[in-house]
Amino acid sequence: KQEVTQIPAALSVPEGENLVLNCSFTDSAIYNLQWFRQDPGKGLTSLLLIQSSQREQTSGRLNASLDKSSGRSTLYIAASQPGDSATYLCAVRPDTGNQFYFGTGTSLTVIP
Amino acid sequence: NAGVMQNPRHLVRRRGQEARLRCSPMKGHSHVYWYRQLPEEGLKFMVYLQKENIIDESGMPKERFSAEFPKEGPSILRIQQVVRGDSAAYFCASSPPGQGQSPLHFGNGTRLTVT
Repeated sequence: KQEVTQIPAALSVPEGENLVLNCSFTDSAIYNLQWFRQDPGKGLTSLLLIQSSQREQTSGRLNASLDKSSGRSTLYIAASQPGDSATYLCAVRPDTGNQFYFGTGTSLTVIP
Repeated sequence: NAGVMQNPRHLVRRRGQEARLRCSPMKGHSHVYWYRQLPEEGLKFMVYLQKENIIDESGMPKERFSAEFPKEGPSILRIQQVVRGDSAAYFCASSPPGQGQSPLHFGNGTRLTVT
């Protein structure tokens, strides 16, 4: 069974810093991996989707990388802003099966 | 283009009552997933449906829980005889056909409280 771990569980940084969030998964037979953000009391907003054949995806200040063989993905946030404060979740879709497996998230606080 | 719509946003039920949660997927999406999020826990898969078909219900409790996605209308997650342990946030996500290539889009969830 796929297990997804996110480290750290919580992170607090001053505004303007670059930061990296980590996601690891136990089974490298994945179809794709998706990063989300979740604001308190809200749903999940899709940030980036990386197919298993890709190494990275970029959107604005966000860059996600995927190393399938080692079971790792990172989300890099450049020049962090207070509006980036949220919980960041990664989800893995295996090669077989229909469900996405989620990590428990990293709670990010960007201090003005 | 409206996103995934879930209602109600908040639902309070007494133990033993029924809870009905609704999800309208994004326009053009025919795949619906239901997830449950308990406090301090990650999202747990419950069920995956396509129009008029349950594809995978491996995450659904065997009793009291059921889901449907009719030809017309929203997907419904139904919980009968609710218990306090059912209190959680329930999220619906949708994706278009050929869903492996496309990101999941989530609704804002229904927060169920059982008193």
